[in-house]
Amino acid sequence: DTAVSQTPKYLVTQMGNDKSIKCEQNLGHDTMYWYKQDSKKFLKIMFSYNNKELIINETVPNRFSPKSPDKAHLNLHINSLELGDSAVYFCASSPAAGGFGYTFGSGTRLTVV
Amino acid sequence: QKEVEQDPGPLSVPEGAIVSLNCTYSNSAFQYFMWYRQYSRKGPELLMYTYSSGNKEDGRFTAQVDKSSKYISLFIRDSQPSDSATYLCAMSARGGSEKLVFGKGMKLTVNP
Repeated sequence: DTAVSQTPKYLVTQMGNDKSIKCEQNLGHDTMYWYKQDSKKFLKIMFSYNNKELIINETVPNRFSPKSPDKAHLNLHINSLELGDSAVYFCASSPAAGGFGYTFGSGTRLTVV
Repeated sequence: QKEVEQDPGPLSVPEGAIVSLNCTYSNSAFQYFMWYRQYSRKGPELLMYTYSSGNKEDGRFTAQVDKSSKYISLFIRDSQPSDSATYLCAMSARGGSEKLVFGKGMKLTVNP
């Protein structure tokens, strides 16, 4: 039973398109995140939601818009995709308080052509 | 200067070797230190975590934190081919939902 699941696993799309990535966690965690991992494997936070409320919004182009319909789900919508958006996007979750360390999903490999 | 520095390697060792992986950091507010292991085409998985300074051992893995030097290490004893992965250090000032700042990751290959 997957703890943090992302769909799709792979996404190939043309420049200028709009796409969404979905994430769901069944761990009962209060906080969810989107991280971007570039070609050099560097993981950088994009957004964080705590119980549907946006709490971290790093310097990310406003073409990226997260949405959390409930605390178990966090989606990422990307408008007007650019070549530089090609990366692996990871969803993660953690307890809000007590305990630390994230549980990551297996990633969505986005390729913009 | 990046908040967290990690030599990206790659590092290749023979099976059975002792492996030492290290990270340095600049933010003295960091209190929580983690090591993640990431296999190819998978998400990172939490391997070890420590709070503040000191050592922590779990089987073949030992994590060390030296806050005075802003330096953390992960030692792998009797390394196995199954340890071949990318190892990422991560740290935060507070636990829970605090954002983690990651190192670049070190790619380790253990040769049989």
